[in-house]
Amino acid sequence: ETGVTQTPRHLVMGMTNKKSLKCEQHLGHNAMYWYKQSAKKPLELMFVYSLEERVENNSVPSRFSPECPNSSHLFLHLHTLQPEDSALYLCASSQVSQGLSGANVLTFGAGSRLTVL
Amino acid sequence: AQSVAQPEDQVNVAEGNPLTVKCTYSVSGNPYLFWYVQYPNRGLQFLLKYITGDNLVKGSYGFEAEFNKSQTSFHLKKPSALVSDSALYFCAVRDPRSGTGGFKTIFGAGTRLFVKA
Repeated sequence: ETGVTQTPRHLVMGMTNKKSLKCEQHLGHNAMYWYKQSAKKPLELMFVYSLEERVENNSVPSRFSPECPNSSHLFLHLHTLQPEDSALYLCASSQVSQGLSGANVLTFGAGSRLTVL
Repeated sequence: AQSVAQPEDQVNVAEGNPLTVKCTYSVSGNPYLFWYVQYPNRGLQFLLKYITGDNLVKGSYGFEAEFNKSQTSFHLKKPSALVSDSALYFCAVRDPRSGTGGFKTIFGAGTRLFVKA
């Protein structure tokens, strides 16, 4: 669809479960991101990886654990979540460069809709 | 700190009429500005960006946006709305000078556009 694929598209989990969200990009980009989208709130940047190294972590609770094994794959491991963590989790990728022409435009996946019971 | 404000939760416009979706930002220095659109059950898609140069930028699907530095605004416009333009629109900003500014894109809460036939 967009070059960024997220699975699963929908996930329902209990507060004691452990699950993972997966993201794969086929664009050859060098940076990958997790954003959280909740209704009527700004998108929240959670994690950023560049060349498989985490470069940004916006005070996200430790029940969310990211993993970036290579430049094409990004995971978000979920453990003992709370009902308020229910949201759409969006993965994105971009090609980051130093010049102005880079701009770092994000390409998003369709998202994983998470419901925590 | 960087921030983006989209003052309208929803904008309603009749098909064929011009539309405007408002965005103001707060960032020191010269920002990079973006508009993204989200259709139902899809991720965000890039529409247009302002990096430097002409204050009026043109993007996909006939959309354009005007950068106004004195008013710190970047409103999205289209001369003639289509029903198919109905979607959720996000304004975003990045300060390329900040330490990890190449990665940190900040989004507004989104404005839902309804175009009536």
